[in-house]
Amino acid sequence: KNEVEQSPQNLTAQEGEFITINCSYSVGISALHWLQQHPGGGIVSLFMLSSGKKKHGRLIATINIQEKHSSLHITASHPRDSAVYICAVLNSGYSTLTFGKGTMLLVSP
Amino acid sequence: DTAVSQTPKYLVTQMGNDKSIKCEQNLGHDTMYWYKQDSKKFLKIMFSYNNKELIINETVPNRFSPKSPDKAHLNLHINSLELGDSAVYFCASSPNRGNTIYFGEGSWLTVV
Repeated sequence: KNEVEQSPQNLTAQEGEFITINCSYSVGISALHWLQQHPGGGIVSLFMLSSGKKKHGRLIATINIQEKHSSLHITASHPRDSAVYICAVLNSGYSTLTFGKGTMLLVSP
Repeated sequence: DTAVSQTPKYLVTQMGNDKSIKCEQNLGHDTMYWYKQDSKKFLKIMFSYNNKELIINETVPNRFSPKSPDKAHLNLHINSLELGDSAVYFCASSPNRGNTIYFGEGSWLTVV
C-alpha cells in the first residue's frame, strides 16, 4: 500500500463544476504539497500546507493533520484546469517527498 | 528566465550508452533533487543534494551518478543505459529541505 493515496484516480467534469480531489497519507509529515502536471509538461507546485487552509484564485487546499487527510478544491472549473494533480508529503525528519499516484482531471467545455 | 532548467528535454539513445542530463537553477536555492517519473506517471525521489553534498540516495542502481559542481547545478550521469531507464527525469530545487519546491520541465529519456 502506498504511503500516499489519492482519490479519485480519474475525474471528468463539465466546465463550471466544483471539483474535489482527496489525499490520505499514513506517515508523519512536516508538510504536504499539491502539484499540477499538464500533459507533456512540467510540474508546478500549487500549494504547500502544514495546517489549515490555503486559497489561490479558484483553488483551495485544506489539510487535517489529525486525520492525515488533505483535499484540493477547484471552484468554477475550466478546461484549462485539465491536468494531473499530485499530492506529495514531506516525511517528518526525512526531508524528501513521497508522492501519490496522481488524479487525472479532464474538464469539458 | 527559467528558474530550474534541464537539458536535454528529449533524449533517445541505444542500450548500453552513457548519457548525461544537466540541471541548473538560478534561484539561489541550497537543495536540489532528481526525481524519476515512470510510465505510470509515478514520481519517486532518486537523489537530493544540499550545498553540493549528497543528502539522500534512494535505492537507485549505481549506474546513476549525480554530480554537483556547485550548488546551482546538479547533473545526472547514467552509464550502461537499460530499457527500464526510459522515463521522465525531473530536476527540482528548494530553498531548504522544508520549503516550496520548484521543478524543471523534465527530460524525456527513451532507451531503445
